[in-house]
Amino acid sequence: EAQVTQNPRYLITVTGKKLTVTCSQNMNHEYMSWYRQDPGLGLRQIYYSMNVEVTDKGDVPEGYKVSRKEKRNFPLILESPSPNQTSLYFCASSWGQGIGEQFFGPGTRLTVL
Amino acid sequence: DAKTTQPPSMDCAEGRAANLPCNHSTISGNEYVYWYRQIHSQGPQYIIHGLKNNETNEMASLIITEDRKSSTLILPHATLRDTAVYYCIVRAPRAYSGGGADGLTFGKGTHLIIQP
Repeated sequence: EAQVTQNPRYLITVTGKKLTVTCSQNMNHEYMSWYRQDPGLGLRQIYYSMNVEVTDKGDVPEGYKVSRKEKRNFPLILESPSPNQTSLYFCASSWGQGIGEQFFGPGTRLTVL
Repeated sequence: DAKTTQPPSMDCAEGRAANLPCNHSTISGNEYVYWYRQIHSQGPQYIIHGLKNNETNEMASLIITEDRKSSTLILPHATLRDTAVYYCIVRAPRAYSGGGADGLTFGKGTHLIIQP
């Protein structure tokens, strides 16, 4: 089954404790992206990747890092999480940039205390 | 990407067709109309997209006016599981230029409530 998976689905952590949210897709997609969703602000793009070793900033990249060492994986790294990063996070993938269907993961609900 | 305007909420009776309008009066010639939906806190789900011709798939139909300034998403036989927020997004194909945000612009969408 074609899908985007994220882990963990739920996470409660404390300020400053480094964490990684994993994202994996099994569709051989070149393009992958991370969004966060906050009430009243909608979905905002954090980072995206056109292909292996190619990553770019989205609208709200501050406080986040990403890497794309393999085509299927696109982890989101919070080196020193802060409470304002409490949010619902979605990973997405597609064949190319800006056209066609984007497949979204199930989401990761992160709480930073 | 052109801006879109959607009603904030709509009701529809189960089993009836749900018709969701979207206004995109500033759409450019190369911009596509996409529809996604999000069922409470789940990942957004692609529904359909089109350029200027009407489109149909197993989920829905997309009707785009001749001047392309508005469109309608039609769910032919709505069920309770179709209750969700529906987003109309206008977007052009992109050639990678080495940077700049390029995320899908999800507005506030239309909260469609299917009534039993």
